[in-house]
Amino acid sequence: TQLLEQSPQFLSIQEGENLTVYCNSSSVFSSLQWYRQEPGEGPVLLVTVVTGGEVKKLKRLTFQFGDARKDSSLHITAAQPGDTGLYLCAGARTNAGKSTFGDGTTLTVKP
Amino acid sequence: DAGVIQSPRHEVTEMGQEVTLRCKPISGHNSLFWYRQTMMRGLELLIYFNNNVPIDDSGMPEDRFSAKMPNASFSTLKIQPSEPRDSAVYFCASSRVVGANVLTFGAGSRLTVL
Repeated sequence: TQLLEQSPQFLSIQEGENLTVYCNSSSVFSSLQWYRQEPGEGPVLLVTVVTGGEVKKLKRLTFQFGDARKDSSLHITAAQPGDTGLYLCAGARTNAGKSTFGDGTTLTVKP
Repeated sequence: DAGVIQSPRHEVTEMGQEVTLRCKPISGHNSLFWYRQTMMRGLELLIYFNNNVPIDDSGMPEDRFSAKMPNASFSTLKIQPSEPRDSAVYFCASSRVVGANVLTFGAGSRLTVL
């Protein structure tokens, strides 16, 4: 059983469109992170959220942590080809330092 | 800041051979993690260290896998003997603060076992 379920698994859109990807779990997390990974590289941290209901914005990316701290979403406005990549959410149930990753959403933005 | 440095970037070996992957974490980071990434299973945590001490190795698949962190600036992941199912990308990551759950990843070591 996957602790963190991400959806959709694959997403292909045109430049300029908006999109939302989801990260869901039945477990409560002390914190949740979103990473982006490009081919041949390691994941790169985008944001970390720790408070239920928290919303963080990073340019065209908006991250939300669910009120119950069990789920999160990533919304991208006016997607660009440079947004193409694998988006991973990761959660930790304690502050012991052990994070579990979801399977990721592969996003392709076509010019 | 050179980031997390892993070597080798690519390794192709034959079944039964010993494989050693190396990692240099970011200076001043107190936690180090080894992950494995495959298409089938995604990113799996193998083991992590806090202040050079192994804390949780429950993700290490078998006794063929071992990891060491002799000092704050170096860690190894060893597979002996290697098997084709060990083929994957192995990532090392470090974190500045124990328990912060914020990881900086290396570029990975792509292992192919024939």
